[in-house]
Amino acid sequence: DAKTTQPNSMESNEEEPVHLPCNHSTISGTDYIHWYRQLPSQGPEYVIHGLTSNVNNRMASLAIAEDRKSSTLILHRATLRDAAVYYCILPTDSWGKLQFGAGTQVVVTP
Amino acid sequence: DAGITQSPRYKITETGRQVTLMCHQTWSHSYMFWYRQDLGHGLRLIYYSAAADITDKGEVPDGYVVSRSKTENFPLTLESATRSQTSVYFCASSAQVEQYFGPGTRLTVT
Repeated sequence: DAKTTQPNSMESNEEEPVHLPCNHSTISGTDYIHWYRQLPSQGPEYVIHGLTSNVNNRMASLAIAEDRKSSTLILHRATLRDAAVYYCILPTDSWGKLQFGAGTQVVVTP
Repeated sequence: DAGITQSPRYKITETGRQVTLMCHQTWSHSYMFWYRQDLGHGLRLIYYSAAADITDKGEVPDGYVVSRSKTENFPLTLESATRSQTSVYFCASSAQVEQYFGPGTRLTVT
């Protein structure tokens, strides 16, 4: 199974962009890249996913490197509500099973 | 209420007792999952289901039993609770890609 590597934590000021990196050097050609986040005392929440092209939605943007060995989740204007643990995940099979790592703890300061 | 719900939200039980955690979703999603989250281990998959009457083991299935007689329900039973099963349990459902997580059940085994 392809593994991901993320920094343990990142800090950002409110209303500034946040760039969360994820390395997945063993990714296969058919692996999608998924991002989830978990706010304190809540269940994880889907953020975004992509395969090759950059993706945007109302929550974030996902920039995928041309060789697909890394990706970056971009929060365009961080708010205090974006303080959470962010997980970069490559689902393991067609059932969509998720294998969560430690993720990146994002701290947003006013 | 629409969405995915879990009950109870909090449970304290004694070692050796049988406990059932309930999960209900209103979207008629085919896939359902059970995860546990412990400090130092992150989220780990216990069991999953692709449809009614189709279930399979995840990463940490020992000591747990699941059933899925109806699409909307996916109960998780601890047959004889042990202290090591003290954890926060999350249920999730999915139609295809995104998983939607419930609010969690905090279980303490004394």
